[in-house]
Amino acid sequence: GQQVMQIPQYQHVQEGEDFTTYCNSSTTLSNIQWYKQRPGGHPVFLIQLVKSGEVKKQKRLTFQFGEAKKNSSLHITATQTTDVGTYFCAGFPFGNEKLTFGTGTRLTIIP
Amino acid sequence: DVKVTQSSRYLVKRTGEKVFLECVQDMDHENMFWYRQDPGLGLRLIYFSYDVKMKEKGDIPEGYSVSREKKERFSLILESASTNQTSMYLCASSLRKLEQFFGPGTRLTVL
Repeated sequence: GQQVMQIPQYQHVQEGEDFTTYCNSSTTLSNIQWYKQRPGGHPVFLIQLVKSGEVKKQKRLTFQFGEAKKNSSLHITATQTTDVGTYFCAGFPFGNEKLTFGTGTRLTIIP
Repeated sequence: DVKVTQSSRYLVKRTGEKVFLECVQDMDHENMFWYRQDPGLGLRLIYFSYDVKMKEKGDIPEGYSVSREKKERFSLILESASTNQTSMYLCASSLRKLEQFFGPGTRLTVL
């Protein structure tokens, strides 16, 4: 069945370092969404990408959707302690109404 | 301010009990979802609904059922709770394939 994998599962970085999480789907996606879940909280929507090769930025966060629409990445520049949490990608496979979540990348920041 | 609420934050039940988890949204969304979240497995879709009295199985529906009698309310039912259903349960709602809004979650422990 449809699978969405994320790597790495865990990432520990020094405050101020960059961070990247990668999302890979076994099938082509019509769109991809990214969510952030703070420790003890619930997932909160960050952004949606729809077009092949699309790149979007939100302050220090840069989101990319691959040309083949099967992979995506989230890059955070100069991490801050407020970036702590688990980042999930989620995609709609073409012709499928079910949003499939990735396994998530848990980011911890060393002050 | 948009809101998804869940009936309990924490719940402890015994094996074999029937368990009801309630979710209410105030955004007039047609789509509602139930996920369970377990460490290392991300969010897995149990059931979803695109309209009142309509339901579709997600990826892990076994041992669960749902009810959607009103647009704003989506209930998850564990007919006979088992220890392997100990988990965090998250409800979400959305408008079409747009962002999903999550409730705070219910941490269910089955003894």
